[in-house]
Amino acid sequence: GNSVTQMEGPVTLSEEAFLTINCTYTATGYPSLFWYVQYPGEGLQLLLKATKADDKGSNKGFEATYRKETTSFHLEKGSVQVSDSAVYFCALSEWAGAGSYQLTFGKGTKLSVIP
Amino acid sequence: KAGVTQTPRYLIKTRGQQVTLSCSPISGHRSVSWYQQTPGQGLQFLFEYFSETQRNKGNFPGRFSGRQFSNSRSEMNVSTLELGDSALYLCASSPLGSLDTEAFFGQGTRLTVV
Repeated sequence: GNSVTQMEGPVTLSEEAFLTINCTYTATGYPSLFWYVQYPGEGLQLLLKATKADDKGSNKGFEATYRKETTSFHLEKGSVQVSDSAVYFCALSEWAGAGSYQLTFGKGTKLSVIP
Repeated sequence: KAGVTQTPRYLIKTRGQQVTLSCSPISGHRSVSWYQQTPGQGLQFLFEYFSETQRNKGNFPGRFSGRQFSNSRSEMNVSTLELGDSALYLCASSPLGSLDTEAFFGQGTRLTVV
């Protein structure tokens, strides 16, 4: 079946440091890839997405490139802020039959940014 | 546009009881999915509904069930609650449930089984 593996952390960085959260996936077909973010006490919010190989998703200074050859979708940000402290989830979406889709998530990476 | 609304936000139930959680999707969205989030297992897919039909179901026991109404609102029910059912239950909606469509999540219902 499909699976997503991401570094589990927690990750603690100083403000303005460079962020990388690794994500690799296993899928039978050609999934779409997503990064979701969860702030304390909240649901998940889409951060960025990529729907085909070599696509780059970007939002709020975060970037991730869909690498089919390495089955990876690593999240990067050049300069993190305290407000970026949250849990980040890598996910893939693939057809599950009967016209349905299903999101498969990684375990999540907790990021803490200190001033 | 209102977001995905889940009610109640918090629930405490006793082992053996049953519980019903509600999800109102974004207006116009016809696909509703449910996920269970626990510290140990992370986020796991429960089921997906589209136009009142369950199209997909995750690997959960039959105690977990759901339904969708004609206005796209959805409910999930858990019968004979076990301690291990304590979790954050998240609902997500999308317009058609297509492959690359963003899923919009509610804030979740925190269920505690004692």
